[in-house]
Amino acid sequence: AQTVTQSQPEMSVQEAETVTLSCTYDTSESDYYLFWYKQPPSRQMILVIRQEAYKQQNATENRFSVNFQKAAKSFSLKISDSQLGDAAMYFCALYGNKLVFGAGTILRVKS
Amino acid sequence: NAGVTQTPKFQVLKTGQSMTLQCAQDMNHNSMYWYRQDPGMGLRLIYYSASEGTTDKGEVPNGYNVSRLNKREFSLRLESAAPSQTSVYFCASSWGGSGTEAFFGQGTRLTVV
Repeated sequence: AQTVTQSQPEMSVQEAETVTLSCTYDTSESDYYLFWYKQPPSRQMILVIRQEAYKQQNATENRFSVNFQKAAKSFSLKISDSQLGDAAMYFCALYGNKLVFGAGTILRVKS
Repeated sequence: NAGVTQTPKFQVLKTGQSMTLQCAQDMNHNSMYWYRQDPGMGLRLIYYSASEGTTDKGEVPNGYNVSRLNKREFSLRLESAAPSQTSVYFCASSWGGSGTEAFFGQGTRLTVV
C-alpha cells in the first residue's frame, strides 16, 4: 500500500519569508519517487519538484527545495523568498507503482 | 500540443443517471489515471491504467468503471450517479515507470442532485 499524509491543512507566510510544508509517506516499494505539485485557483496541476528515493542529495528548483529524510519517510518542501504568486494548494505525491496524493496544504502569502 | 483533454468541463446529473467522462492524451503516454478532488481530502485515486489493456482499482473505486479504449483514451463511467459522487474529477497521464511527471487535464466539475 502507498499512503501520503500532509498534516497541515493551511499555512501562512509573509512575503519574502521562508515557509516549510510537511509531508510523510509510506510505501512497501524499494524504488519510488516523490513529488510536490502546486494547484492555483485555476485548478491547473503544476509540478514543482521531484525527488528520486535512491538519491541522497535533496532536490532544488530555484526557490523551492526539499528535505528528504528516507529513514523517517519524510519529504518536506521549503519555499524561500515567498512571493504572492506562490499562494496555492500544494500536494505531496508518491509514485511506487501508481501515483497517490496527500490531502493538500493551502498556502496563503501575506503582503 | 493539447496534452490531456477532458470532457465535459461541467456536468449536472440527477441521482440515478449515468454518464461517461472522457479523457484523451496525445503524448503517447503509457499510464493514465482518474482522480477525484474533494475539500480536505486531496486527490484520491479512483482507477488507473499502467499500460494499454490493463486497469486497476485505486483508493475509491466503488460506483465507477473505467475503459482503456486504446493508448490515447481512458474513460470513467458512473453507472448510477449518487450525491456522494459530487466532486471535481481529474484525468492524468504519464510515461509510467519511475519518476515521470504526470500531466493533468483541466478537470470536470460534476454535481449530482
